[in-house]
Amino acid sequence: EVQLVESGGGLVQPGRSLKLSCAASGFTFSNYGMHWIRQAPTKGLEWVASISPSGGSTYYRDSVKGRFTISRDNAKSTLYLQMDSLRSEDTATYYCATADGPGWFAYWGQGTLVTVSS
Amino acid sequence: IQMTQSPSLLSASVGDRVTLSCKAGQNINNYLAWYQQKLGEAPKLLIYNANSLQTGIPSRFSGSGSGTDFTLTISSLQPEDVATYFCQQYNSWYTFGAGTKLELK
Repeated sequence: EVQLVESGGGLVQPGRSLKLSCAASGFTFSNYGMHWIRQAPTKGLEWVASISPSGGSTYYRDSVKGRFTISRDNAKSTLYLQMDSLRSEDTATYYCATADGPGWFAYWGQGTLVTVSS
Repeated sequence: IQMTQSPSLLSASVGDRVTLSCKAGQNINNYLAWYQQKLGEAPKLLIYNANSLQTGIPSRFSGSGSGTDFTLTISSLQPEDVATYFCQQYNSWYTFGAGTKLELK
């Protein structure tokens, strides 16, 4: 059974940093691209970043470029999102998800809440 | 690519045939997925490539459309289908619609 478990969320002040983790199991992690997707409170879904199976290619939405870094450790079957220079508009539940086919998200974690506030 | 879902809120009765709409701002071919999100849960993939049913999803769910206009149909609404439904395009990066909240009448 595919399982994705996010951790690392919490309350952080504007301008500070936070690192999210996503522990994967139940599939061959190193064979799959991965995504981070976020959902602001009572809002819709927004793709944040993606990484290729090897980690050699990464992609970001414009609003997080230069502030967020997606990475992975295939030996540990873990995905990461380093978030620097956080802003109030980054407040959201962050989900990790598997990359499938050309671009749908087949499996999602339960999410971890990040709140950016002073 | 802008994705517009309608209606934003839909009330229906158990057993009803329900149709949700999703319109893309430009041609996305059939690169469209549908997700169901129940309160407090992560989204669940229902449909990909506009009309392919994800493994394990009940056959009462179906998707149709191509180009810019897409539809998710629930053939006979069940109480457990109460949720918000999102469409997502993957023709050019990834964008989601704002969602349709489905409630029981």
